[in-house]
Amino acid sequence: EAQVTQNPRYLITVTGKKLTVTCSQNMNHEYMSWYRQDPGLGLRQIYYSMNVEVTDKGDVPEGYKVSRKEKRNFPLILESPSPNQTSLYFCASSSLGTKETQYFGPGTRLLVL
Amino acid sequence: GENVEQHPSTLSVQEGDSAVIKCTYSDSASNYFPWYKQELGKRPQLIIDIRSNVGEKKDQRIAVTLNKTAKHFSLHITETQPEDSAVYFCAASANNNDMRFGAGTRLTVKP
Repeated sequence: EAQVTQNPRYLITVTGKKLTVTCSQNMNHEYMSWYRQDPGLGLRQIYYSMNVEVTDKGDVPEGYKVSRKEKRNFPLILESPSPNQTSLYFCASSSLGTKETQYFGPGTRLLVL
Repeated sequence: GENVEQHPSTLSVQEGDSAVIKCTYSDSASNYFPWYKQELGKRPQLIIDIRSNVGEKKDQRIAVTLNKTAKHFSLHITETQPEDSAVYFCAASANNNDMRFGAGTRLTVKP
């Protein structure tokens, strides 16, 4: 089954404790992206990647890191989480051929205390 | 960069009526405009999209119109049903590198 998976789905952590949210897709998509969703602000792009070892900043990259060592995985790293990073995070992927049709993962709800 | 504005933020209609959601964008280079539906607790899912070489696209009860001159596009849902209740997001993409989303419209269809 073609899908985008994220882990964990829910996470409560404390300020400053490093965490990683994993994202994996099994569709051989070149393009992957991370968004955060906050009430009244829609989906804002954090980082995106056009292919392995190629990453770029989106609208709100501050406080986040990503890596793309393999085509299928695109982890989101919060080195020192802060309460303003409490949000719902979505990973998405698409083929470069039809790159605009993005498939979203199920979401990760993060609470930073 | 691209800026997408979406209106209204909330919309309530009676079952069977039509619903219209409007979006404007700022980057004249934008050439792809998808609409996503997000049900409560679920991920956004693409429901329809339009590219800049067409002015209108229909899929059963859903249609999208695009006015490139005015830089706005709209989602039209006819004969609304309670299962259409969700948050709808418009988006615009210019260079295939990023996609900017509107803030969303919460649609409620009353039975």
